Amino acid sequence: QVQLQQWGAGLLKPSETLSLTCAVYGGSFSGYYWNWIRQPPGKGLEWIGEINQSGRTNYNPSLKSRVTISVDTSKNQISLRLSSVTAADTAVYFCASPYSYGSLASFDIWGQGTMVTVSS
Amino acid sequence: QSALTQPASVSGSPGQSITISCTGTSSDVGGYNYVSWYQQHPGKVPKLMIYDVTNRPSGVSSRFSGSKSGNTASLTISGLQAEDEADYYCSSYTRISTYVFGTGTKVTVL
Repeated sequence: QVQLQQWGAGLLKPSETLSLTCAVYGGSFSGYYWNWIRQPPGKGLEWIGEINQSGRTNYNPSLKSRVTISVDTSKNQISLRLSSVTAADTAVYFCASPYSYGSLASFDIWGQGTMVTVSS
Repeated sequence: QSALTQPASVSGSPGQSITISCTGTSSDVGGYNYVSWYQQHPGKVPKLMIYDVTNRPSGVSSRFSGSKSGNTASLTISGLQAEDEADYYCSSYTRISTYVFGTGTKVTVL
């Protein structure tokens, strides 16, 4: 059963760069898209972007100038970097994948979530 | 890209049916059959409840069903139960190869 485990720094100061990693265990890494999604406290879900094993990416236009998603196929890991963070970037960050049903937008596999707080 | 529009809250009594709407545009909901629904209990990870507008993942109760008409998708929960009390989000693929989520709906079981 595929599982996603994520980690990264939980407290940042304004203008710093957020960095998170998500590892894929127990399943195939190739042939799938791996996504980052975030949720500010008390608010809704926001899609950040995705990457496949070849490094092809798609980003949310509203975040594109600050986001970089990368892949390390040797470790079955994906990473998220978000530059110049502000308090508005405070959120729980999830990695997720439309893994099981071969369909777009069907995010059935999720990481445990990482709370990232931006505060001076 | 703008978030899909959902009602902020919907409520119903146990055993009743409720429907949550999700309104987008022809560039997302109306243009593709890639609409999904997620259930999220407080402090928990979202759970996929419906994908491709109408399909239920294995293990999801048949009380949950999805549909779409034009630019609006809907999630219906029949035979409402206390455990259905949660936040629900829709999501859609878009014409610029991105994804967009709905604003979220809090379901209350009276």
